[in-house]
Amino acid sequence: GDSVTQMEGPVTLSEEAFLTINCTYTATGYPSLFWYVQYPGEGLQLLLKATKADDKGSNKGFEATYRKETTSFHLEKGSVQVSDSAVYFCALTEGTGGFKTIFGAGTRLFVKA
Amino acid sequence: EPEVTQTPSHQVTQMGQEVILRCVPISNHLYFYWYRQILGQKVEFLVSFYNNEISEKSEIFDDQFSVERPDGSNFTLKIRSTKLEDSAMYFCASSAQGRGNQPQHFGDGTRLSIL
Repeated sequence: GDSVTQMEGPVTLSEEAFLTINCTYTATGYPSLFWYVQYPGEGLQLLLKATKADDKGSNKGFEATYRKETTSFHLEKGSVQVSDSAVYFCALTEGTGGFKTIFGAGTRLFVKA
Repeated sequence: EPEVTQTPSHQVTQMGQEVILRCVPISNHLYFYWYRQILGQKVEFLVSFYNNEISEKSEIFDDQFSVERPDGSNFTLKIRSTKLEDSAMYFCASSAQGRGNQPQHFGDGTRLSIL
């Protein structure tokens, strides 16, 4: 079945460092791809999405590009802040009437001042 | 911005008891979902619901689970006879449409602790 694999954490960075969180997927159809963020004590918030190959999703300085050839959707940010400390989940939904979201295991990010 | 709300935020229940988790989806959404996240593990799909019936369910969603939309605003998950392994964070989600390119909006979750 469809699945999402993301890099294990925790990832610890200093403020203003460059962030990459790797995500790859396996899907039989044409999935839409998402990044969700979970801040401490809170629920899941949509960070960005991309619905077809070569689409770039972006929000709050984060970016991810839907790469069909490498089945990847890596999350990047040029300069992280302490407030970006959270758990980041890569996820997909199937493109043909999918009713469920499949999540990766999550990557915890710690940003030090 | 409209949001999905879940109550209670934390529920503590004795093993074998019934528990009902409540959710109020975004008002114009038509598709509703429950997910769970066991501590330290990934978020897992339980069930999706549309037009007053289950659209899809996972193998986790066995006979002890049920969902209901008792009125025009609430969406509930009932666990009939709780087990220790049901301890988890339960997330409700809703979406306007059931297409794959439409993101699901999640609530803050209910932490269920089974003693």
